[in-house]
Amino acid sequence: EVQVVESGGGLVQPGGSLRLSCEASGFSLSSYWMHWVRQVPGKGLMWLCNLNGDGKSGAYADSVKGRFTISRDNGKNTLYLQMNSLRAEDTAVYYCVRDLDYSDTRGHHFDALDMWGQGTLVTVSS
Amino acid sequence: AIQLTQSPSSLSATVGGRVTITCRASQGIANDLAWYQQKPGKAPKLLIYAASILQSGVPSRFSGSGSGTDFTLTISNLQPEDFATYFCLQDYNYPRTFGQGTKVEI
Repeated sequence: EVQVVESGGGLVQPGGSLRLSCEASGFSLSSYWMHWVRQVPGKGLMWLCNLNGDGKSGAYADSVKGRFTISRDNGKNTLYLQMNSLRAEDTAVYYCVRDLDYSDTRGHHFDALDMWGQGTLVTVSS
Repeated sequence: AIQLTQSPSSLSATVGGRVTITCRASQGIANDLAWYQQKPGKAPKLLIYAASILQSGVPSRFSGSGSGTDFTLTISNLQPEDFATYFCLQDYNYPRTFGQGTKVEI
């Protein structure tokens, strides 16, 4: 089955660290841009970061830049999100998402987040 | 960061009806916009990308249009399974940003 499955969520104290994993199956992670998106339960969606197929290009939302690091191990077909200096406001469900990586005839790339994991809940609380 | 404002925040509709959701960007974003559907307790699902391209497997009653700052998602012949929350997402620049969502209720 073609899917992504997140793991690693849980309860962590403020200031602590956590590493989320996203294991891909049924496709090669190295062929796709990947994203992390989070959602406070009952609230809206927030884009966090992305990373290209070879792991050399990506970007972060300002609120997590310097605290979160996205990485990938294509040999393990796994994406990671290392989260440091966690705050209460980081409490959310975290989704790993594949980008369809569509480009038009001009070569312009469009994000199309076509495959979402089930999400993993991170709770930051003392 | 580019702000996306969706309207309305919620709406009531009937089965078989037609719904239009608007997403307005705080600056021009060409056609770099996608639409997602989310049902309670589930991950979002891609409906439309590049403003108007229907994702494979999505029913043709969903359509997207617009460019620049104003975009619309239209659902024709509303079905029971379409009652959900819809989000827009811009990929014109970083950071990517989502609209706040529009809840479609019966």
